[in-house]
Amino acid sequence: GAVVSQHPSRVICKSGTSVKIECRSLDFQATTMFWYRQFPKQSLMLMATSNEGSKATYEQGVEKDKFLINHASLTLSTLTVTSAHPEDSSFYICSARRGDSGLETQYFGPGTRLLVL
Amino acid sequence: LAKTTQPISMDSYEGQEVNITCSHNNIATNDYITWYQQFPSQGPRFIIQGYKTKVTNEVASLFIPADRKSSTLSLPRVSLSDTAVYYCLVGGMNTGGFKTIFGAGTRLFVKA
Repeated sequence: GAVVSQHPSRVICKSGTSVKIECRSLDFQATTMFWYRQFPKQSLMLMATSNEGSKATYEQGVEKDKFLINHASLTLSTLTVTSAHPEDSSFYICSARRGDSGLETQYFGPGTRLLVL
Repeated sequence: LAKTTQPISMDSYEGQEVNITCSHNNIATNDYITWYQQFPSQGPRFIIQGYKTKVTNEVASLFIPADRKSSTLSLPRVSLSDTAVYYCLVGGMNTGGFKTIFGAGTRLFVKA
């Protein structure tokens, strides 16, 4: 159990377009999901925390108008990169928090590779 | 939020036991300690989680001393496929909500 999926796995887009990435918890309900960005040879950087039914909480330095997050249900959160530019090219990873077993555990999706031309 | 410190890299040989230690001096009462493994271009994979003392599962053991200011991930008899980056995360439900922050991780190289 505890499977998190992401779609798409990779996307190539032109500069100025918007890209939506979906994150789904397949076998558990996640009241909290997280979005991370990872550049080559670096650690994961938390971008925002997404709570079901409420506004996302963004980390310092992350533009909320550029990275739109929607957490409409207990199993789905979406990240939309608006007006993407080459510097937004990165590996985006989501995670879902599972707290129903008495522990507080995050399970991660496989990631989405974004390349902006 | 508790900051974690791990060795940047470690080398080992197939069949050896590998122990990776993580320091988290300001861990909070509600924080759990979780270890993840990450291969290139993949999301982190859950390995093990604990709160105190020792936890063991089918792939690893986690040792946590009484003061909880550090933890050690033990991988028995590593193989080449265990070459990856290992992250120690500390976090849980605290003031401001649930949050964990990734440290730099430890790059483990397993040689034949």
